[in-house]
Amino acid sequence: NAGVTQTPKFRVLKTGQSMTLLCAQDMNHEYMYWYRQDPGMGLRLIHYSVGEGTTAKGEVPDGYNVSRLKKQNFLLGLESAAPSQTSVYFCASSYATVSEAFFGQGTRLTVV
Amino acid sequence: EDQVTQSPEALRLQEGESSSLNCSYTVSGLRGLFWYRQDPGKGPEFLFTLYSAGEEKEKERLKATLTKKESFLHITAPKPEDSATYLCAVQTFGGGADGLTFGKGTHLIIQP
Repeated sequence: NAGVTQTPKFRVLKTGQSMTLLCAQDMNHEYMYWYRQDPGMGLRLIHYSVGEGTTAKGEVPDGYNVSRLKKQNFLLGLESAAPSQTSVYFCASSYATVSEAFFGQGTRLTVV
Repeated sequence: EDQVTQSPEALRLQEGESSSLNCSYTVSGLRGLFWYRQDPGKGPEFLFTLYSAGEEKEKERLKATLTKKESFLHITAPKPEDSATYLCAVQTFGGGADGLTFGKGTHLIIQP
């Protein structure tokens, strides 16, 4: 049972480039989330999904887009990367809103 | 706006020296309060969920308690392997967004 898997683990982008982060879960969870973690800021919610085909904005959605075409996958896209998007990105999934969330191992993204 | 404040930011203890971490919160309506453990380079790992004031939960050397304004994570006779960053998070009613609001964490070091 893999849980939540994020791809890639590390990435360096140049300003203006685009990329997609992939999150896959094998627990049949309805809810999926993308967070970013920055030093001194804690984890902040970017976007989330309450089921296949749905997406919603979190606390810091600007500069990011998401898609949930399949229940098990949640994609986070950066259309034009900026240095301010340098961060560690975590995907998580949960069975319901108020239930434990399972996190992936993180993607460390550097934008130069 | 929901706020979660954790204290202290960092704590260094000797092996066997018990202590408590604090999480104070200001929210519109609490659905649940969560404690997670995060090791360096990894995603947060779920520890506890507390739903109402007066509730307590235990797991090995850890015990979490909840009041109407704060939660404590008590660590009894800690061991070096308890060294980690401990994160507190809340899930609230309303606000339009699901997902968790996190505190900045307490970095705990247990010295042998």
